[in-house]
Amino acid sequence: EPEVTQTPSHQVTQMGQEVILRCVPISNHLYFYWYRQILGQKVEFLVSFYNNEISEKSEIFDDQFSVERPDGSNFTLKIRSTKLEDSAMYFCASSEGPEPPGDYEQYFGPGTRLTVT
Amino acid sequence: RKEVEQDPGPFNVPEGATVAFNCTYSNSASQSFFWYRQDCRKEPKLLMSVYSSGNEDGRFTAQLNRASQYISLLIRDSKLSDSATYLCVVWYSSASKIIFGSGTRLSIRP
Repeated sequence: EPEVTQTPSHQVTQMGQEVILRCVPISNHLYFYWYRQILGQKVEFLVSFYNNEISEKSEIFDDQFSVERPDGSNFTLKIRSTKLEDSAMYFCASSEGPEPPGDYEQYFGPGTRLTVT
Repeated sequence: RKEVEQDPGPFNVPEGATVAFNCTYSNSASQSFFWYRQDCRKEPKLLMSVYSSGNEDGRFTAQLNRASQYISLLIRDSKLSDSATYLCVVWYSSASKIIFGSGTRLSIRP
């Protein structure tokens, strides 16, 4: 069964550093998403991406964050100047069809645990 | 009031029991509803969509009550493997955003 993959599985970085989290969505999917989950808290939507541009973003997704699809397979989340409160699990997801999820299931990757020290 | 609210649990029930979770949402403009399952330190996985007419998938039954703005999930004949956190998810078409509830923890004991 096709799956979304994410690398690295765990990233430790110092406050103020930039990190790039990588995701490889399922190959025929066109819609891509990033979520985060702070330990013990709920999953929070960050951003959705389609046709090489952001289609929706949450209040959390400020100028510190950016997303990119640098080639035909990768989808990245960049966090500039990380803060302690950015420590969380970051999940990438992809879907075949448009928002809303509707009949198009979002498939989640296993996540990248980001620890900012 | 939280946009999507769930009883955090934990629900601790014996194998074979029937257990039900509720979820309430605050925005009547919400359009689509889902139950996801999340195992400890794993990614969420779609369990089922929730339709106004109610829907069933094996031992799982989901119901939507738009008038009262709540969604329910019923698990019959629970198995040890059902132990997980169940996430209520609401899609708000007006804001084009997905809101996850905080989840209800379920633990099935032998």
